[in-house]
Amino acid sequence: DTGVSQDPRHKITKRGQNVTFRCDPISEHNRLYWYRQTLGQGPEFLTYFQNEAQLEKSRLLSDRFSAERPKGSFSTLEIQRTEQGDSAMYLCASSFDRSSYNEQFFGPGTRLTVL
Amino acid sequence: RKEVEQDPGPFNVPEGATVAFNCTYSNSASQSFFWYRQDCRKEPKLLMSVYSSGNEDGRFTAQLNRASQYISLLIRDSKLSDSATYLCVVNFLNQGGKLIFGQGTELSVKP
Repeated sequence: DTGVSQDPRHKITKRGQNVTFRCDPISEHNRLYWYRQTLGQGPEFLTYFQNEAQLEKSRLLSDRFSAERPKGSFSTLEIQRTEQGDSAMYLCASSFDRSSYNEQFFGPGTRLTVL
Repeated sequence: RKEVEQDPGPFNVPEGATVAFNCTYSNSASQSFFWYRQDCRKEPKLLMSVYSSGNEDGRFTAQLNRASQYISLLIRDSKLSDSATYLCVVNFLNQGGKLIFGQGTELSVKP
């Protein structure tokens, strides 16, 4: 399967714990995006990378959140000191910046539950 | 005001019906437009990009009106398998291409 992959698919954690999610984009895609989706809402943008450079962060991304893409391939999203409000689906998407329309393709998501 | 607003759902229609979804966006700098489909507890999947001249893909037709900042999706001869949430999405290419999603409209096609 050459689509976007994410790991883990589900994560249950206790409040205050740290969690880390991984995203592997489509191999030729140089842009990688993280979004968060809560029940009944559309996904909301968190941050994006062009190659290894993090070019934009949403105000939703508090200082407890950090994302990296060290070699311009896979990316990790870490949440420190999780709170119940962090419970959501975390979606990763990738695209190719030469695409005129910047179509983005999503991975299956990581569903986080904070108890 | 939300940047992308969609018709409230859910839409409950019989098989074979034609259904239309509408969407408005607030930022005139929006540069590209999409409809994504999302099945329950799955990721959004790109249904179709929306081009300025309008475009059709089988039973699906998308229209864009930049002057009114309005996007539509028409589904003809709806199938049971069309049941899903339809997300209207805009993209600001000069902002790195982040997608702005509407909240989605749920469609349920009944036999």
